[in-house]
Amino acid sequence: AQSVTQLDSHVSVSEGTPVLLRCNYSSSYSPSLFWYVQHPNKGLQLLLKYTSAATLVKGINGFEAEFKKSETSFHLTKPSAHMSDAAEYFCVVSEAGNTPLVFGKGTRLSVIA
Amino acid sequence: DTAVSQTPKYLVTQMGNDKSIKCEQNLGHDTMYWYKQDSKKFLKIMFSYNNKELIINETVPNRFSPKSPDKAHLNLHINSLELGDSAVYFCASSQDGGFAETQYFGPGTRLLVL
Repeated sequence: AQSVTQLDSHVSVSEGTPVLLRCNYSSSYSPSLFWYVQHPNKGLQLLLKYTSAATLVKGINGFEAEFKKSETSFHLTKPSAHMSDAAEYFCVVSEAGNTPLVFGKGTRLSVIA
Repeated sequence: DTAVSQTPKYLVTQMGNDKSIKCEQNLGHDTMYWYKQDSKKFLKIMFSYNNKELIINETVPNRFSPKSPDKAHLNLHINSLELGDSAVYFCASSQDGGFAETQYFGPGTRLLVL
């Protein structure tokens, strides 16, 4: 069965500095991997997804993630944080078939002015 | 236009009551889902419907009964509400149930059981 571990429950960065949110996954098959963002009191929005094409995936708002099979990782990065990036971020894994998405426990990103 | 909408946005009720949450999507998707997000922000799928048929039922108490009158709607009815049902419930939809499909989420319904 698939699982996902978000290594940090809370990350705090200064505005204009790089963002790194870490995610490791476990999957028996070739997975699809997603990052979703949840702003306060809002629903979830897809940032980006990996589906066995290019291993470096670019998403919205300047975010990107790299699929590294050897490290079973899918870390999310952004070169320069903006105040509006403050939110909860979820790493998600899915396997083939009608298996449901499995969510990580989330990483809360704080951006300090 | 809101792609996935839920009503109500907030729901405060007493233990033992029965309540319903409605969800509608105007994306023309075939698959809809209900998720529960607990107080620690952990999200877990409850149900998945594809074209009005139940696909996934993740060991949810049978007090929870989803109903899909058509593929654009997936409502959630909860009987005999308990304190532990307090959570945020999210509806979502995707083009089909494929594992690589993007899911589109509604804004959530915040349920508080007193």
